[in-house]
Amino acid sequence: EAGVTQFPSHSVIEKGQTVTLRCDPISGHDNLYWYRRVMGKEIKFLLHFVKESKQDESGMPNNRFLAERTGGTYSTLKVQPAELEDSGVYFCASSYSAGQPQHFGDGTRLSIL
Amino acid sequence: KQEVTQIPAALSVPEGENLVLNCSFTDSAIYNLQWFRQDPGKGLTSLLLIQSSQREQTSGRLNASLDKSSGRSTLYIAASQPGDSATYLCAVRRGTSYGKLTFGQGTILTVHP
Repeated sequence: EAGVTQFPSHSVIEKGQTVTLRCDPISGHDNLYWYRRVMGKEIKFLLHFVKESKQDESGMPNNRFLAERTGGTYSTLKVQPAELEDSGVYFCASSYSAGQPQHFGDGTRLSIL
Repeated sequence: KQEVTQIPAALSVPEGENLVLNCSFTDSAIYNLQWFRQDPGKGLTSLLLIQSSQREQTSGRLNASLDKSSGRSTLYIAASQPGDSATYLCAVRRGTSYGKLTFGQGTILTVHP
């Protein structure tokens, strides 16, 4: 069984540019989560999809972040325009149901210059 | 607001020692607690998940306990090995309708030969 896959593994962009991160969950997992870890801080929740619907987006920092999950399969997280404080590692996770263990991808390391 | 604290922040032990990692949380109204390990540059690997109604879970040399009323969990690693070196994270989930995990900052474990 393939695990959670994230693309790209690294991204370096300049402030003001746009970046799109992608996450492919484990097949059959309806629940998909985005998290972020900025330097020196703990991993923090961004949002939770159930299929294509946003169940909880309370952790999204501001309207420069847009997450989508069209068709309830893979998800994208777009940052537009990127700011310096957006640098960090963005993790995606998926689970079969909301109460089951969450399985994480290797993350996308995002650097804003 | 739920806060999760892990002590110690870092731990270095010789191979073969038994060790305990601690996790505390401020809001005892949790649904479950999950322990992860993270290797450098990698994603999170789920180790153990304890439901709020359970007292402990075991997997191989790992044993996790949960005292929900006092807001504490411990991860016990028996007969530590150099391959156990990693960052260990605990995360709590609030309730059945919430998939969001709240993480501690982690304990960096080094097991030297």
